Amino acid sequence: NAGVMQNPRHLVRRRGQEARLRCSPMKGHSHVYWYRQLPEEGLKFMVYLQKENIIDESGMPKERFSAEFPKEGPSILRIQQVVRGDSAAYFCASSPPSFLNEKLFFGSGTQLSVL
Amino acid sequence: KQEVTQIPAALSVPEGENLVLNCSFTDSAIYNLQWFRQDPGKGLTSLLLIQSSQREQTSGRLNASLDKSSGRSTLYIAASQPGDSATYLCAATGNQFYFGTGTSLTVIP
Repeated sequence: NAGVMQNPRHLVRRRGQEARLRCSPMKGHSHVYWYRQLPEEGLKFMVYLQKENIIDESGMPKERFSAEFPKEGPSILRIQQVVRGDSAAYFCASSPPSFLNEKLFFGSGTQLSVL
Repeated sequence: KQEVTQIPAALSVPEGENLVLNCSFTDSAIYNLQWFRQDPGKGLTSLLLIQSSQREQTSGRLNASLDKSSGRSTLYIAASQPGDSATYLCAATGNQFYFGTGTSLTVIP
């Protein structure tokens, strides 16, 4: 059973380009969470999704950022017109439907660098 | 809104010492409390999960306790080793997972 898979591992974009980050949850997990981490800072919650539904996007900037978790395929975090301040490590985590008493499993993250 | 705080932010100890990391949360209505480890450039690995009805959990040299009424959890590491050097984060589970800012631990050989 593969763990949470994130790709790419590293992503370099120039200002104004689009960044697409992918996350495949663990098998059997239907809940996906995206977090952002800046150097020397903690994890900042961005968005919580279930299949085809956004449950909580309170941590996601209103503009340029969007997330989806389609019925088939990985969850995608999309950042349009990237700016230097978007440079960070983006982590995805997944949990099973009964998430309340289950461990949270993380991917290895995508390091986004905006030039 | 749930707020999770970890003290200290950084800790440096000599090898072999026992140590305690602290986590506090403002809303005691949680389902569980998890402790994670993060190595540089890596994702988080779950170490221990304490359900709200439990007081503590143990795994090897690690022992985590939970006091919901006071909004506190501690992670006790016995006989620390250089390989324990990492950042340790706690997360309180409500309607989502609320993370603390972490404690960066360095164990000096």
